[in-house]
Amino acid sequence: NAGVTQTPKFRILKIGQSMTLQCTQDMNHNYMYWYRQDPGMGLKLIYYSVGAGITDKGEVPNGYNVSRSTTEDFPLRLELAAPSQTSVYFCASRDSRTNEQFFGPGTRLTVL
Amino acid sequence: QQQVKQSPQSLIVQKGGISIINCAYENTAFDYFPWYQQFPGKGPALLIAIRPDVSEKKEGRFTISFNKSAKQFSLHIMDSQPGDSATYFCAASKGGNNRKLIWGLGTSLAVNP
Repeated sequence: NAGVTQTPKFRILKIGQSMTLQCTQDMNHNYMYWYRQDPGMGLKLIYYSVGAGITDKGEVPNGYNVSRSTTEDFPLRLELAAPSQTSVYFCASRDSRTNEQFFGPGTRLTVL
Repeated sequence: QQQVKQSPQSLIVQKGGISIINCAYENTAFDYFPWYQQFPGKGPALLIAIRPDVSEKKEGRFTISFNKSAKQFSLHIMDSQPGDSATYFCAASKGGNNRKLIWGLGTSLAVNP
């Protein structure tokens, strides 16, 4: 099992550009999450999904969008990138039997 | 509003010593308390977790102590090793359809050789 994979690993965007962060899991988990991590600020939930076709906002959804067309994929879309979106982004999926969240390796995004 | 408060922010321990990280929570509906370990450049990974029906859980050198009445839980790392140097996050969640984790802000642990 590859677990949770994320692409790209690094990306630099200019202000106003858009991009999609990809996330795929091969564990057949229904629950998936997108977090951003800023130094000293812990992990903040952006969006989450409880299954294909169902998504909901987390703590900090502004400036982001998600979709969940399949169980495996949960892409995060950034529209009109701003410097405040410079962060490390983590995707995770949860095993509903154990509650353990499995994290991807992260995407480091810089908006200049 | 920080629902899970973690301390200290950073910790330096000598090899072989005991590392102790504390967390306090406010919501009595929380029923799952995990600790995650994160190495630089990696995603967090579950280290150990506890439910409020037990006061202590031990896995190797890692122990969670849980005090339901005080609404506190702590991570103890016995015989700390340089390889334990990482950032540790406590978290809490309650039952429901999404089981969102509420995270502490993290503790950066450095174990000196």
